[in-house]
Amino acid sequence: DGGITQSPKYLFRKEGQNVTLSCEQNLNHDAMYWYRQDPGQGLRLIYYSQIVNDFQKGDIAEGYSVSREKKESFPLTVTSAQKNPTAFYLCASQDSKIQPQHFGDGTRLSIL
Amino acid sequence: RKEVEQDPGPFNVPEGATVAFNCTYSNSASQSFFWYRQDCRKEPKLLMSVYSSGNEDGRFTAQLNRASQYISLLIRDSKLSDSATYLCVADTPGSARQLTFGSGTQLTVLP
Repeated sequence: DGGITQSPKYLFRKEGQNVTLSCEQNLNHDAMYWYRQDPGQGLRLIYYSQIVNDFQKGDIAEGYSVSREKKESFPLTVTSAQKNPTAFYLCASQDSKIQPQHFGDGTRLSIL
Repeated sequence: RKEVEQDPGPFNVPEGATVAFNCTYSNSASQSFFWYRQDCRKEPKLLMSVYSSGNEDGRFTAQLNRASQYISLLIRDSKLSDSATYLCVADTPGSARQLTFGSGTQLTVLP
């Protein structure tokens, strides 16, 4: 079945540590996105990529980094510079700009 | 002004009731609109796409009013399983980020 896979489902970060969240899609979508969601809040865009080897900052990119070396993969690194990383992280992909985005089932990140 | 604005609720309605949510958008050039449903601690899932004046799918009806720049979602004969947060989404012409999400409207259907 085609879809988006995020891993791990739960992740714990120690202070000063960088962690990487995986997002893989087999939908052959060009565009991929990373969102952060805090409890009771809406989605906030961290980074997005419309094509391989290209990505742009969203509204809250500070403390995060991404890469897009393959069409299928868009990993997100939460760096030690992100002082409040505890949140629900959602990855999405999109076929074209008039189509909806499809989401993975998310990664919950907490600080140890 | 937020680009996509929703009443956060919560809306608490009895089972079987009809409930409507409104959503306003600021970019008059937006062409594509979506309603997503998000259950607690889960990812958003697409409920309905709206490309013209409206769309209907069973108990759910979406209507688009371009003149007033709002989209509505009507749920008839509410079920307990309809309890969720409903996200309104509009495309963002002229921006590479493609879609803009509202903050969501929380619905609880009571037995």
